[in-house]
Amino acid sequence: KAGVTQTPRYLIKTRGQQVTLSCSPISGHRSVSWYQQTPGQGLQFLFEYFSETQRNKGNFPGRFSGRQFSNSRSEMNVSTLELGDSALYLCASSLRQSGGYTFGSGTRLTVV
Amino acid sequence: AQSVTQLGSHVSVSEGALVLLRCNYSSSVPPYLFWYVQYPNQGLQLLLKYTTGATLVKGINGFEAEFKKSETSFHLTKPSAHMSDAAEYFCAVTLSGNTPLVFGKGTRLSVIA
Repeated sequence: KAGVTQTPRYLIKTRGQQVTLSCSPISGHRSVSWYQQTPGQGLQFLFEYFSETQRNKGNFPGRFSGRQFSNSRSEMNVSTLELGDSALYLCASSLRQSGGYTFGSGTRLTVV
Repeated sequence: AQSVTQLGSHVSVSEGALVLLRCNYSSSVPPYLFWYVQYPNQGLQLLLKYTTGATLVKGINGFEAEFKKSETSFHLTKPSAHMSDAAEYFCAVTLSGNTPLVFGKGTRLSVIA
């Protein structure tokens, strides 16, 4: 079966711009989580959506937002980009938490 | 709140030698524990998981890990390292509820021929 699909794979944006990243989970998975990965901070949890509702939220500023659609696809948006937002953004989907999460290949965002 | 500590940001082993990657967790309730592997420019791949039951869990690519509650540890081992095992390894914990995964800082494994 198809895995978790994230688009685009690479993105270059300028400071102050906004960006939208997309994630299509494994078919049947209703939970989608987003993580930011940087060399300094490691993997940090952004938010989780389940059945179109945000179930958990990490400690990120309000510039970071997300949503989930009725088909479980999810998007995350970052407004007013800063250089420090440069990172690999990973999306993961899950059928249930005890089963673990399946991750996508990520979107590499570079802010210049 | 739960947390994960991975001892050693970089581990180097010879091909054919034992691989041991250390993970200690902190949790107020019985946790679910996971090991993930990440190859360059890729996402995370699940190696193995512990939820309940048998404390020794076997995963893909010959890896296994043992849950030791008394030591709050979940170390990852492989009897014989292969060049293809060179990657970054992450230990993660979540509680038995609707809480997100918390990751360790990762351990980069190098395998020397």
